Amino acid sequence: KQEVTQIPAALSVPEGENLVLNCSFTDSAIYNLQWFRQDPGKGLTSLLLIQSSQREQTSGRLNASLDKSSGRSTLYIAASQPGDSATYLCAVRPENTGFQKLVFGTGTRLLVSP
Amino acid sequence: DTEVTQTPKHLVMGMTNKKSLKCEQHMGHRAMYWYKQKAKKPPELMFVYSYEKLSINESVPSRFSPECPNSSLLNLHLHALQPEDSALYLCASSPRLTGDVELFFGEGSRLTVL
Repeated sequence: KQEVTQIPAALSVPEGENLVLNCSFTDSAIYNLQWFRQDPGKGLTSLLLIQSSQREQTSGRLNASLDKSSGRSTLYIAASQPGDSATYLCAVRPENTGFQKLVFGTGTRLLVSP
Repeated sequence: DTEVTQTPKHLVMGMTNKKSLKCEQHMGHRAMYWYKQKAKKPPELMFVYSYEKLSINESVPSRFSPECPNSSLLNLHLHALQPEDSALYLCASSPRLTGDVELFFGEGSRLTVL
């Protein structure tokens, strides 16, 4: 059974710092991995999608890497800003037969202080 | 247009009421999903429609009744709910049900059952 873990559960940093969020998964047979951002009480915003054949994806100040064989992904946020404060969720799409149900991690709550 | 639109944003209902949540997307996606999210937990899958047909029901109680009138619309009909059903209900869509696909989520409908 696929399990996804995110470390740390919460992170508080001053504005301007570069930071790394970690996501690990137990079964390397995945189609892709998606990073989402969720503001309190709001929906999920897709940040980056990394296909299983890719090593990394970049969007603005965000860079996500994927090491499928070791079951790890990192989300790197450069020059953090207070507006980056949110919960960040990773989710993997397993390569099981049948319906490939998205498996979510429990999230990292990020607070960036001015 | 990469939006999934959900209405209403907030809903308060009594245990004897009948109400509906609505979801709409115009991306031409043929798979649509309902998720339920409790506070500080990851989203949990409830239902999946593929080409307007119910493909997955994750053992959801019958007081939740999904409907997919056409390829752009997804409804969730609510009847005789319990206070523990209070949660954020998220709609999502993807180009198709299986394979290497990306999910797009709406902003959610915050449901409170009194």
